[in-house]
Amino acid sequence: TQLLEQSPQFLSIQEGENLTVYCNSSSVFSSLQWYRQEPGEGPVLLVTVVTGGEVKKLKRLTFQFGDARKDSSLHITAAQPGDTGLYLCACRYNTDKLIFGTGTRLQVFP
Amino acid sequence: ETGVTQTPRHLVMGMTNKKSLKCEQHLGHNAMYWYKQSAKKPLELMFVYSLEERVENNSVPSRFSPECPNSSHLFLHLHTLQPEDSALYLCASSQFSRTDISTDTQYFGPGTRLTVL
Repeated sequence: TQLLEQSPQFLSIQEGENLTVYCNSSSVFSSLQWYRQEPGEGPVLLVTVVTGGEVKKLKRLTFQFGDARKDSSLHITAAQPGDTGLYLCACRYNTDKLIFGTGTRLQVFP
Repeated sequence: ETGVTQTPRHLVMGMTNKKSLKCEQHLGHNAMYWYKQSAKKPLELMFVYSLEERVENNSVPSRFSPECPNSSHLFLHLHTLQPEDSALYLCASSQFSRTDISTDTQYFGPGTRLTVL
């Protein structure tokens, strides 16, 4: 059974700080997605990465896909209270099924 | 606005009750999913209806029974649940293509918060 580990599990920071969260797998995956889930809502897709070494930017968020296609990171610059939420990575390992990571719960205080 | 709605948003039921969760997608997608999200486990896929086929996660107990009468509606019928079944049940939809699986995007509803007493 593939397991997608995310770290840290919890993160509390002040507004304006930078942070990085990680997503790691023991197996190579074909594609990876990052979702954000706010309280009382379902997850919402932020980005999809498919190429090893790929870097994508979404405003203050930078997503990187590892060269070996077994890890990914999400970096947030100058975090805002609106960034608060549960960040989930999800990937496919050559099957149709989407496997979700363990999640990183981020709290940004004003 | 996600385009995927779920009812009810909250449900409390006893172990002997029978209830159903409803999901409706307004996005014209061809695949619908049920996921379970509990506090101590990753988001877990329970059932998929894709291209008119049903795909099951073999670890899902038979007390959960899905129904997909058409491509826009999905139900999860619940009976004789256990307290450990208390969780957030999320429905999702996507436009699934076998030739472009990698970029398939799931659109989630807000979930039903289920408590089994």
